[in-house]
Amino acid sequence: AQTVTQSQPEMSVQEAETVTLSCTYDTSESDYYLFWYKQPPSRQMILVIRQEAYKQQNATENRFSVNFQKAAKSFSLKISDSQLGDAAMYFCAYRSGLGNSGGSNYKLTFGKGTLLTVNP
Amino acid sequence: DSGVTQTPKHLITATGQRVTLRCSPRSGDLSVYWYQQSLDQGLQFLIQYYNGEERAKGNILERFSAQQFPDLHSELNLSSLELGDSALYFCASSVGGLALETQYFGPGTRLLVL
Repeated sequence: AQTVTQSQPEMSVQEAETVTLSCTYDTSESDYYLFWYKQPPSRQMILVIRQEAYKQQNATENRFSVNFQKAAKSFSLKISDSQLGDAAMYFCAYRSGLGNSGGSNYKLTFGKGTLLTVNP
Repeated sequence: DSGVTQTPKHLITATGQRVTLRCSPRSGDLSVYWYQQSLDQGLQFLIQYYNGEERAKGNILERFSAQQFPDLHSELNLSSLELGDSALYFCASSVGGLALETQYFGPGTRLLVL
């Protein structure tokens, strides 16, 4: 079974600074997808960024970028120019690319989350 | 707004009772996933439906059941409720059965069992 580990329960950053959130995962599969979701105080789960394992290039979405190290099974999230609105719980998630016989078993396996505080 | 709707937003009930949580996926999405978020277990996958059929089961208790109707909305039924069932229950949807698809989450239903 796949596992996702986020070793930092809490992180803080000053507004406009850069912060990196860590995530490691364990899998024997070669085809998979990795995600970072953000959960603000409203509790809504919002997709931040995704990475396909077959792509060597790190994904980037505006101020958010990842450092994907496939051999090390590491998937960190970098937030640049942090804003007050970035304060949230961040979850790293794994999804298999294989699926079951129906091709539709694509559950997300989540880490425990990292609570990010942004200080003004 | 993800386009996924869940009702009710909040639910307070007593131990031993039964509740039904409802989810309407985004227009055109055939897959529905249910997740449970609790303080001790974190975010856990419960069950997936695809176009009306159950496709995958996760850590779903036997007291819990779900179904997806012809109009693609889904219901999660929780029975013989216990204090430990108090959690935030999310529904997510995606277009179909491809791994590359993004799962869009609803706002969740917060269940409190007293």
